[in-house]
Amino acid sequence: SAVISQKPSRDICQRGTSLTIQCQVDSQVTMMFWYRQQPGQSLTLIATANQGSEATYESGFVIDKFPISRPNLTFSTLTVSNMSPEDSSIYLCSVTSRAGGELFFGEGSRLTVL
Amino acid sequence: AQTVTQSQPEMSVQEAETVTLSCTYDTSESDYYLFWYKQPPSRQMILVIRQEAYKQQNATENRFSVNFQKAAKSFSLKISDSQLGDAAMYFCAVGMYNNNDMRFGAGTRLTVKP
Repeated sequence: SAVISQKPSRDICQRGTSLTIQCQVDSQVTMMFWYRQQPGQSLTLIATANQGSEATYESGFVIDKFPISRPNLTFSTLTVSNMSPEDSSIYLCSVTSRAGGELFFGEGSRLTVL
Repeated sequence: AQTVTQSQPEMSVQEAETVTLSCTYDTSESDYYLFWYKQPPSRQMILVIRQEAYKQQNATENRFSVNFQKAAKSFSLKISDSQLGDAAMYFCAVGMYNNNDMRFGAGTRLTVKP
């Protein structure tokens, strides 16, 4: 199993600003992912965070809006840039140690954009 | 890409009774795996049960069991002897071995009545 810590747990942000969410895992993991969960909705994959290279983004998500870093096997950040109220969501970091394996999730970061 | 459909936005069950949550999916892949995740109000996603698509035997975990019908692409979750702590959002998910991509259904909100 893996224990994932996300910071911040929640934040209220002003329109046009940017916020960086941190994800720290208690063990080295091969794969890290960032998901978005809009209010009352399911989880949507934003991107796969790749160590040492650019993240792989899903359709509808771009690097300029959601830059991601992954400097090592235990840490990643997601930045939500130039925020608008439509970005108000829960952002979840998840990891797995093997293809086909269980995804472990952080508690999520709830962002509210005013 | 695979798609996941949960046709029951909300379900209700009496404490100690049994409830079944439905899930259908679509994928062109032959190797994949299926999950049920639980998300209580605390937001932490918790794995309930996992099924490998190549296994014919239905997975069970204590009070939780699945009815996996591969030909019909159906993956329902049965909760026996429901407890108040089972109240949560339940998400069905399908993942691929070849790209680590996991897709989630829209979720079913389960209420347990005392």
